[in-house]
This record gives sequence, structure tokens and C-alpha cells, in this order.
Amino acid sequence: EAGVAQSPRYKIIEKRQSVAFWCNPISGHATLYWYQQILGQGPKLLIQFQNNGVVDDSQLPKDRFSAERLKGVDSTLKIQPAKLEDSAVYLCASSAQGRGNSPLHFGNGTRLTVT
Amino acid sequence: KQEVTQIPAALSVPEGENLVLNCSFTDSAIYNLQWFRQDPGKGLTSLLLIQSSQREQTSGRLNASLDKSSGRSTLYIAASQPGDSATYLCAGTQGGSEKLVFGKGTKLTVNP
Repeated sequence: EAGVAQSPRYKIIEKRQSVAFWCNPISGHATLYWYQQILGQGPKLLIQFQNNGVVDDSQLPKDRFSAERLKGVDSTLKIQPAKLEDSAVYLCASSAQGRGNSPLHFGNGTRLTVT
Repeated sequence: KQEVTQIPAALSVPEGENLVLNCSFTDSAIYNLQWFRQDPGKGLTSLLLIQSSQREQTSGRLNASLDKSSGRSTLYIAASQPGDSATYLCAGTQGGSEKLVFGKGTKLTVNP
């Protein structure tokens, strides 16, 4: 099966600019996750979708981050305006079921550098 | 708030050794637990999933166990190989929560 696709692979922007990341999950996977991984840390959940709906966005900085999942398939994560501390790898993952009941499949991530 | 500790932070072993990686949760009420490996510049790869009704899972040279009374999990790697070199992360969910909380990982180096 095809894996989770993410683009772009790398992005460099200046602070206060905006950026968007795209994710295409594994076909048929109902649950989609966006994680932020800062160097040397474990991934931190930003937002979790079940089909079209949001099930957890408690750690998403909503004043600058937004995410949507169109038609329960692809998803985009946007940052506007970016801050220096947003420099991190943004990982998208999908799973057949939520609540950790099935393995998560991760994409290779987008490495964001904010200067 | 659930926090996950992984010990040791880094480990270097000669090829062929058996080794154990540890993971502990501040709240022992773990529902599901997963172990992942992460290679440099890559996403995470799921290795083992211990579901709520299970205590142990095995895949090849890997064995993971979960002690729900203490909130501790171990990942056992038998006969380690240089290809096992990677960062290993554990993550768990709590009952009633959708969120998978990750540890910081253990960086493993297996020397030929």
C-alpha cells in the first residue's frame, strides 16, 4: 500500500510569513494526525481528525495555526504568522482507527525553518 | 497531564548484544501502547502495538511488554544488528482519551 505522503519536504521562511503543509493519508484511513516534533523531543499532537471532524486540537495554537481535512481525505496545516519557535518537523500520520487501537503510519515530515 | 519518560536517553552496544529499552508513564492507566523507530530525517515506523486487552507483543527479534499496574513498558531487542541503530520512541493513550502521548526516545547505536 502507498504510504502517507507529505509535501513539501523542506521549507525556509522568515518570521511573520505564512506557510502551508499538505498531507495525503493512506487510503481508507479514517483518522489523521498532525504532530510537531522539535529537535530532540518526541512528537507533540497538534490536531487529530476522525473523518472530517476534529477530535482533539487542545495543543494547537489556534491564534496562528489552522488545519482542515477536506472530504475526509487530504489535509492541510497552515501557520500564519510564523514565529521562530515554530521551527520544527511537522509530521502527518494516519491510522485505520483512533484511540491508538491501530498502528499509526507516518509520513517523512516537513522540516520548517523560520529565520 | 500524562508524561512519558524513556531511559536511557542514548545507548551504544556491540553487535549481537541483547538489550532492553524502558518507558514509563506518570499515569499508569494506559489504554494502548505503541513502540516506534525513527531513522534520521524520516518519519516514525510503528514496530509493535499492545492493545488494551494485551500485555505483550512480539515481532521477530523484538518483544514489548506492558505492566499496567506500574505504567511501565519495556522493548527487548535480541541479537542486535547495526541496522537496528535508530531512535526508539514509545507512546500511549489513556482510557477515554484519543491522544497518543510520546516519550523523547532512546537513541540506539549498534556497533559492528
